[in-house]
Amino acid sequence: EAGVAQSPRYKIIEKRQSVAFWCNPISGHATLYWYQQILGQGPKLLIQFQNNGVVDDSQLPKDRFSAERLKGVDSTLKIQPAKLEDSAVYLCASSLGYGQPQHFGDGTRLSIL
Amino acid sequence: DQQVKQNSPSLSVQEGRISILNCDYTNSMFDYFLWYKKYPAEGPTFLISISSIKDKNEDGRFTVFLNKSAKHLSLHIVPSQPGDSAVYFCAAVDTNAGKSTFGDGTTLTVKP
Repeated sequence: EAGVAQSPRYKIIEKRQSVAFWCNPISGHATLYWYQQILGQGPKLLIQFQNNGVVDDSQLPKDRFSAERLKGVDSTLKIQPAKLEDSAVYLCASSLGYGQPQHFGDGTRLSIL
Repeated sequence: DQQVKQNSPSLSVQEGRISILNCDYTNSMFDYFLWYKKYPAEGPTFLISISSIKDKNEDGRFTVFLNKSAKHLSLHIVPSQPGDSAVYFCAAVDTNAGKSTFGDGTTLTVKP
């Protein structure tokens, strides 16, 4: 089966600019997650979708981050405007359902100058 | 307030010996636990899991032990191989809420 696809792999922007990441989960996976991983830390959940509905976005900085999952398949995560502290790897994962093992993409490494 | 802690940032073992990675949690609502392995520039990959109704789960060279009273789990790798060198993340799940929480990882180095 094809894995979770993410793009781009790398992105460099200046602070206050905007950026968007794309994720295509494994076919049939109802649950989709976006994580932020800062160097030396574990993945921190930003938002979790069940089909195209939001299950948990309690740790999403909603003043600058937004995410959507149209038609319950692909998802995009946007940051506008970016801050220096947003430099991190952004991981997308999908699973068959709640609590099931997650399948991760290779992430997007974001650098803010 | 970190609910899942991996207190050893790194571990180094000799090839063929046992590797033991530890994880502690504080939230009693967690009822499912997973270990993920991560190589550089790749996303984490699922390794092994255990439900709170069990105290041990084994898959080949990998065994996970759960001590609910101590809120502690461990991953044993026997025998360790150089290809096991990676970052290992412990994750705990509250299946009722569908929420997963990750530890900060332990970097395992297996020396030939």
